[in-house]
Amino acid sequence: AQSVAQPEDQVNVAEGNPLTVKCTYSVSGNPYLFWYVQYPNRGLQFLLKYITGDNLVKGSYGFEAEFNKSQTSFHLKKPSALVSDSALYFCAVRPLSGGSYIPTFGRGTSLIVHP
Amino acid sequence: DTGVSQDPRHKITKRGQNVTFRCDPISEHNRLYWYRQTLGQGPEFLTYFQNEAQLEKSRLLSDRFSAERPKGSFSTLEIQRTEQGDSAMYLCASSSYDNQPQHFGDGTRLSIL
Repeated sequence: AQSVAQPEDQVNVAEGNPLTVKCTYSVSGNPYLFWYVQYPNRGLQFLLKYITGDNLVKGSYGFEAEFNKSQTSFHLKKPSALVSDSALYFCAVRPLSGGSYIPTFGRGTSLIVHP
Repeated sequence: DTGVSQDPRHKITKRGQNVTFRCDPISEHNRLYWYRQTLGQGPEFLTYFQNEAQLEKSRLLSDRFSAERPKGSFSTLEIQRTEQGDSAMYLCASSSYDNQPQHFGDGTRLSIL
Protein backbone atom coordinates (compact mmCIF):
# COMPACT_ATOMS: atom_id res chain seq x y z
CA ALA A 1 0.00 0.00 0.00
CA GLN A 2 1.17 3.52 -0.72
CA SER A 3 1.36 6.26 1.89
CA VAL A 4 2.48 9.84 2.37
CA ALA A 5 3.75 11.50 5.52
CA GLN A 6 3.82 15.25 6.01
CA PRO A 7 5.50 15.47 9.41
CA GLU A 8 4.69 19.12 10.08
CA ASP A 9 1.11 20.24 10.65
CA GLN A 10 2.23 23.85 10.35
CA VAL A 11 5.23 25.72 8.98
CA ASN A 12 5.85 29.34 9.88
CA VAL A 13 8.22 31.52 7.87
CA ALA A 14 8.87 35.24 7.49
CA GLU A 15 8.16 36.90 4.17
CA GLY A 16 11.26 36.92 1.99
CA ASN A 17 12.81 33.90 3.70
CA PRO A 18 13.16 30.51 2.04
CA LEU A 19 10.56 27.89 2.86
CA THR A 20 10.51 24.10 2.93
CA VAL A 21 7.48 21.85 3.36
CA LYS A 22 8.46 18.25 3.98
CA CYS A 23 7.04 15.08 2.45
CA THR A 24 8.12 11.45 2.63
CA TYR A 25 6.41 8.63 0.82
CA SER A 26 6.11 4.88 0.52
CA VAL A 27 5.09 3.17 -2.73
CA SER A 28 5.77 -0.04 -4.65
CA GLY A 29 8.10 0.58 -7.56
CA ASN A 30 8.90 3.99 -8.96
CA PRO A 31 6.83 6.88 -7.60
CA TYR A 32 4.74 9.48 -9.34
CA LEU A 33 4.69 12.45 -6.96
CA PHE A 34 2.62 15.62 -6.78
CA TRP A 35 2.24 18.79 -4.77
CA TYR A 36 -1.07 20.63 -4.56
CA VAL A 37 -2.10 23.83 -2.76
CA GLN A 38 -5.50 24.57 -1.23
CA TYR A 39 -6.84 27.98 -0.27
CA PRO A 40 -9.79 28.32 2.15
CA ASN A 41 -13.09 26.99 0.79
CA ARG A 42 -11.47 26.09 -2.52
CA GLY A 43 -10.43 22.89 -4.25
CA LEU A 44 -6.85 21.74 -4.67
CA GLN A 45 -4.66 23.42 -7.27
CA PHE A 46 -1.83 21.53 -8.95
CA LEU A 47 1.66 22.95 -8.29
CA LEU A 48 4.12 20.44 -9.71
CA LYS A 49 4.83 16.78 -10.36
CA TYR A 50 7.78 14.39 -10.56
CA ILE A 51 7.78 11.39 -12.89
CA THR A 52 11.39 10.80 -13.97
CA GLY A 53 14.44 12.83 -14.85
CA ASP A 54 15.98 15.77 -13.02
CA ASN A 55 15.55 15.46 -9.26
CA LEU A 56 14.73 19.18 -8.99
CA VAL A 57 11.30 19.94 -10.40
CA LYS A 58 10.07 23.47 -11.02
CA GLY A 59 6.41 24.33 -10.76
CA SER A 60 3.90 27.14 -10.52
CA TYR A 61 4.28 30.38 -8.53
CA GLY A 62 8.04 29.94 -8.06
CA PHE A 63 7.76 26.65 -6.18
CA GLU A 64 10.11 23.75 -6.74
CA ALA A 65 10.51 20.31 -5.22
CA GLU A 66 13.49 18.03 -4.73
CA PHE A 67 13.11 14.29 -5.23
CA ASN A 68 15.44 12.11 -3.14
CA LYS A 69 15.05 8.42 -3.90
CA SER A 70 17.30 7.14 -1.11
CA GLN A 71 15.41 9.15 1.50
CA THR A 72 12.03 8.61 -0.21
CA SER A 73 11.37 12.32 0.11
CA PHE A 74 9.87 15.01 -2.07
CA HIS A 75 10.21 18.29 -0.20
CA LEU A 76 8.56 21.46 -1.52
CA LYS A 77 10.70 24.59 -1.56
CA LYS A 78 10.61 28.25 -2.49
CA PRO A 79 13.58 30.61 -2.29
CA SER A 80 11.60 33.64 -1.10
CA ALA A 81 8.20 33.27 0.58
CA LEU A 82 5.27 35.64 0.00
CA VAL A 83 2.39 36.34 2.37
CA SER A 84 0.09 35.16 -0.43
CA ASP A 85 1.74 31.70 -0.25
CA SER A 86 -0.07 31.11 3.04
CA ALA A 87 -2.30 28.08 2.40
CA LEU A 88 -2.60 24.32 2.89
CA TYR A 89 -0.12 22.18 0.96
CA PHE A 90 -0.68 18.53 0.10
CA CYS A 91 1.81 15.98 -1.13
CA ALA A 92 0.49 12.93 -3.05
CA VAL A 93 1.96 9.71 -4.44
CA ARG A 94 0.96 6.80 -6.63
CA PRO A 95 2.90 4.09 -8.44
CA LEU A 96 4.28 5.22 -11.78
CA SER A 97 3.18 1.94 -13.33
CA GLY A 98 1.10 -0.97 -12.17
CA GLY A 99 -1.28 -0.83 -9.27
CA SER A 100 -3.90 1.85 -8.83
CA TYR A 101 -3.91 5.16 -10.71
CA ILE A 102 -5.44 6.80 -7.65
CA PRO A 103 -3.02 9.01 -5.71
CA THR A 104 -2.79 8.90 -1.93
CA PHE A 105 -2.66 12.32 -0.28
CA GLY A 106 -0.90 13.38 2.88
CA ARG A 107 -2.73 15.12 5.72
CA GLY A 108 -1.51 18.50 4.59
CA THR A 109 0.78 21.18 6.00
CA SER A 110 -0.47 24.65 6.80
CA LEU A 111 2.04 27.24 5.62
CA ILE A 112 1.87 30.61 7.34
CA VAL A 113 4.00 33.41 5.94
CA HIS A 114 4.35 36.38 8.30
CA PRO A 115 4.77 39.92 6.91
CA ASP B 1 -10.97 25.32 -20.11
CA THR B 2 -13.76 26.42 -17.79
CA GLY B 3 -12.57 24.28 -14.91
CA VAL B 4 -14.34 21.62 -12.85
CA SER B 5 -17.72 22.77 -11.59
CA GLN B 6 -19.54 21.38 -8.56
CA ASP B 7 -23.10 22.04 -7.44
CA PRO B 8 -24.26 22.91 -4.87
CA ARG B 9 -21.38 24.59 -3.03
CA HIS B 10 -23.06 24.05 0.31
CA LYS B 11 -25.73 21.61 1.46
CA ILE B 12 -27.33 21.50 4.90
CA THR B 13 -29.67 18.63 5.62
CA LYS B 14 -31.15 16.66 8.47
CA ARG B 15 -29.83 13.27 9.46
CA GLY B 16 -31.54 10.50 7.53
CA GLN B 17 -32.21 12.53 4.41
CA ASN B 18 -30.80 11.70 0.97
CA VAL B 19 -28.54 14.17 -0.83
CA THR B 20 -27.18 14.33 -4.37
CA PHE B 21 -24.21 16.32 -5.64
CA ARG B 22 -23.27 17.09 -9.22
CA CYS B 23 -19.87 17.45 -10.85
CA ASP B 24 -19.17 18.79 -14.33
CA PRO B 25 -15.59 17.97 -15.32
CA ILE B 26 -13.42 19.78 -17.84
CA SER B 27 -15.07 18.87 -21.14
CA GLU B 28 -12.22 16.96 -22.76
CA HIS B 29 -11.38 14.98 -19.60
CA ASN B 30 -12.59 11.40 -19.57
CA ARG B 31 -11.30 10.54 -16.07
CA LEU B 32 -13.41 11.67 -13.11
CA TYR B 33 -12.72 11.19 -9.40
CA TRP B 34 -14.69 11.78 -6.21
CA TYR B 35 -12.97 12.47 -2.89
CA ARG B 36 -14.07 13.32 0.62
CA GLN B 37 -12.12 15.74 2.78
CA THR B 38 -12.59 16.38 6.48
CA LEU B 39 -10.95 19.07 8.59
CA GLY B 40 -7.26 18.50 9.05
CA GLN B 41 -7.09 15.70 6.51
CA GLY B 42 -6.12 15.29 2.90
CA PRO B 43 -8.59 14.16 0.26
CA GLU B 44 -9.78 10.57 0.75
CA PHE B 45 -10.57 8.65 -2.43
CA LEU B 46 -14.17 7.53 -2.94
CA THR B 47 -14.57 6.43 -6.56
CA TYR B 48 -13.18 6.79 -10.10
CA PHE B 49 -14.73 6.78 -13.56
CA GLN B 50 -13.17 6.41 -16.97
CA ASN B 51 -15.83 7.70 -19.35
CA GLU B 52 -19.07 6.15 -18.05
CA ALA B 53 -17.41 3.11 -16.46
CA GLN B 54 -16.89 3.11 -12.70
CA LEU B 55 -13.47 1.45 -12.50
CA GLU B 56 -12.57 1.81 -8.83
CA LYS B 57 -14.46 2.24 -5.61
CA SER B 58 -12.97 2.64 -2.16
CA ARG B 59 -13.41 -0.37 0.11
CA LEU B 60 -14.18 2.12 2.85
CA LEU B 61 -17.18 3.44 0.95
CA SER B 62 -20.46 2.61 2.60
CA ASP B 63 -23.23 1.10 0.46
CA ARG B 64 -25.19 4.27 1.25
CA PHE B 65 -22.96 6.01 -1.28
CA SER B 66 -23.50 5.65 -5.00
CA ALA B 67 -22.08 7.48 -7.99
CA GLU B 68 -22.99 7.60 -11.65
CA ARG B 69 -21.62 9.08 -14.82
CA PRO B 70 -24.32 8.06 -17.28
CA LYS B 71 -23.03 9.62 -20.50
CA GLY B 72 -19.39 9.96 -19.62
CA SER B 73 -19.75 13.68 -19.01
CA PHE B 74 -21.15 14.98 -15.68
CA SER B 75 -21.31 12.78 -12.60
CA THR B 76 -23.55 12.58 -9.56
CA LEU B 77 -22.76 11.37 -6.06
CA GLU B 78 -25.70 10.33 -3.90
CA ILE B 79 -25.64 9.68 -0.18
CA GLN B 80 -28.68 7.90 1.22
CA ARG B 81 -29.83 8.05 4.85
CA THR B 82 -27.19 10.62 5.78
CA GLU B 83 -25.37 10.32 9.11
CA GLN B 84 -23.47 12.87 11.20
CA GLY B 85 -20.20 11.35 10.07
CA ASP B 86 -20.98 12.20 6.46
CA SER B 87 -20.36 15.88 7.19
CA ALA B 88 -17.38 16.77 5.01
CA MET B 89 -16.24 18.52 1.87
CA TYR B 90 -16.89 16.40 -1.22
CA LEU B 91 -14.41 17.11 -3.99
CA CYS B 92 -14.58 16.17 -7.64
CA ALA B 93 -11.55 16.08 -9.93
CA SER B 94 -10.93 15.26 -13.56
CA SER B 95 -7.98 14.48 -15.80
CA SER B 96 -7.34 13.71 -19.45
CA TYR B 97 -4.99 10.78 -18.95
CA ASP B 98 -3.92 8.72 -15.97
CA ASN B 99 -0.46 10.32 -16.03
CA GLN B 100 -1.82 13.86 -16.05
CA PRO B 101 -2.48 15.83 -12.85
CA GLN B 102 -6.02 16.04 -11.60
CA HIS B 103 -7.97 19.30 -11.78
CA PHE B 104 -10.20 19.83 -8.75
CA GLY B 105 -13.50 21.60 -8.34
CA ASP B 106 -14.17 23.83 -5.34
CA GLY B 107 -16.19 21.12 -3.63
CA THR B 108 -19.59 20.70 -2.00
CA ARG B 109 -19.61 21.22 1.75
CA LEU B 110 -22.16 18.93 3.41
CA SER B 111 -23.42 19.67 6.91
CA ILE B 112 -25.67 17.17 8.68
CA LEU B 113 -27.90 18.60 11.41
